[in-house]
Amino acid sequence: QKEVEQDPGPLSVPEGAIVSLNCTYSNSAFQYFMWYRQYSRKGPELLMYTYSSGNKEDGRFTAQVDKSSKYISLFIRDSQPSDSATYLCAMSSGGYQKVTFGTGTKLQVIP
Amino acid sequence: DTAVSQTPKYLVTQMGNDKSIKCEQNLGHDTMYWYKQDSKKFLKIMFSYNNKELIINETVPNRFSPKSPDKAHLNLHINSLELGDSAVYFCASTREYQRNEQFFGPGTRLTVL
Repeated sequence: QKEVEQDPGPLSVPEGAIVSLNCTYSNSAFQYFMWYRQYSRKGPELLMYTYSSGNKEDGRFTAQVDKSSKYISLFIRDSQPSDSATYLCAMSSGGYQKVTFGTGTKLQVIP
Repeated sequence: DTAVSQTPKYLVTQMGNDKSIKCEQNLGHDTMYWYKQDSKKFLKIMFSYNNKELIINETVPNRFSPKSPDKAHLNLHINSLELGDSAVYFCASTREYQRNEQFFGPGTRLTVL
């Protein structure tokens, strides 16, 4: 079993839809949870960063962490064509430990 | 103006050759990384350096050798290239105490023929 599981998609939604992206993980030591966005032929860029359980909101984006279920989510409200990208979840236990990435979910928002 | 830069952007080479990829960051970060992203978009860490010292060395063939001449540069040398080395290689950097906020370079697309 991989440490981090993520549905690769692709996920196609109409413009304006609410998008839900999810990851599950197996390592209970993970404390830090991130979402990176990667446009085609570009490097990933950090989108959201949360520590431990709870919600975090930034504009149209909301990140949720449920450590009891080992499940994290990213919600995108009022999705735009410019949101079309691959979204990678990432997590770590902190300190000098490595960041472990999910395989990414490819999202396409259709105008 | 570029934060993390890599050269070259594309690299096409024959099996058995030796090649190098260079990375530079101008963010003043202490920690730099090399990642490999395969065709299925899986991003896997290879190495990490903190202030020129190797701190993470994943299970990577000995043909891959990183070098950090100073904390702003991290190069990757690959000997005896194999078909399976074809991938996109990303360099990244972070502040020492903010390792979860990774800043990635644009990637080097390596194709081994």
